[in-house]
Amino acid sequence: NAGVTQTPKFQVLKTGQSMTLQCAQDMNHEYMSWYRQDPGMGLRLIHYSVGAGITDQGEVPNGYNVSRSTTEDFPLRLLSAAPSQTSVYFCASRPRAWVSTDTQYFGPGTRLTVL
Amino acid sequence: GDSVTQMEGPVTLSEEAFLTINCTYTATGYPSLFWYVQYPGEGLQLLLKATKADDKGSNKGFEATYRKETTSFHLEKGSVQVSDSAVYFCALSDSNTGNQFYFGTGTSLTVIP
Repeated sequence: NAGVTQTPKFQVLKTGQSMTLQCAQDMNHEYMSWYRQDPGMGLRLIHYSVGAGITDQGEVPNGYNVSRSTTEDFPLRLLSAAPSQTSVYFCASRPRAWVSTDTQYFGPGTRLTVL
Repeated sequence: GDSVTQMEGPVTLSEEAFLTINCTYTATGYPSLFWYVQYPGEGLQLLLKATKADDKGSNKGFEATYRKETTSFHLEKGSVQVSDSAVYFCALSDSNTGNQFYFGTGTSLTVIP
């Protein structure tokens, strides 16, 4: 199993540009999520999904869109990038939705810089 | 709401020293508690977890005990190595909000030979 994969590893955007961060998992996990990591703030949840076709907002959803058309993929879209979205983005998955005891598994991250 | 408060860093220790990283939490339901480790340039990896009160999680010489009475989940290791240098995150997942994970701010540990 490859686990959770993310592409690209690094990305530089100009303000106003759009892009999609890709995330895929091959473990047949129900639950998938996106976090951003900023210095001194830990990880904050952006959006999550409990299954194909079902998504919901986390703590910091503004400026980001998600969709989940398959169990495996959970892309994160920035429609109009802003410098405040400069961060490291992590995708994660968990075997079951609604089961708080399950462990989350993280991808390697995407480092995004918005100029 | 739910939250995790973690000891501020950075922490610098000599090899073979004793490590404690404090973590306390607030939760509305019955939380599961986790410690994750992040090595430089990598994603987060699960280090250990505990899913009910008085449980002890352990892995690679690290231990943490879920203390409901003090709402704490402190990470300890008796003898740290240079290879333990990393950022450590305490996190919780609550039975009331099972699809939200709450992370502490992270504690950076550097172990010097």
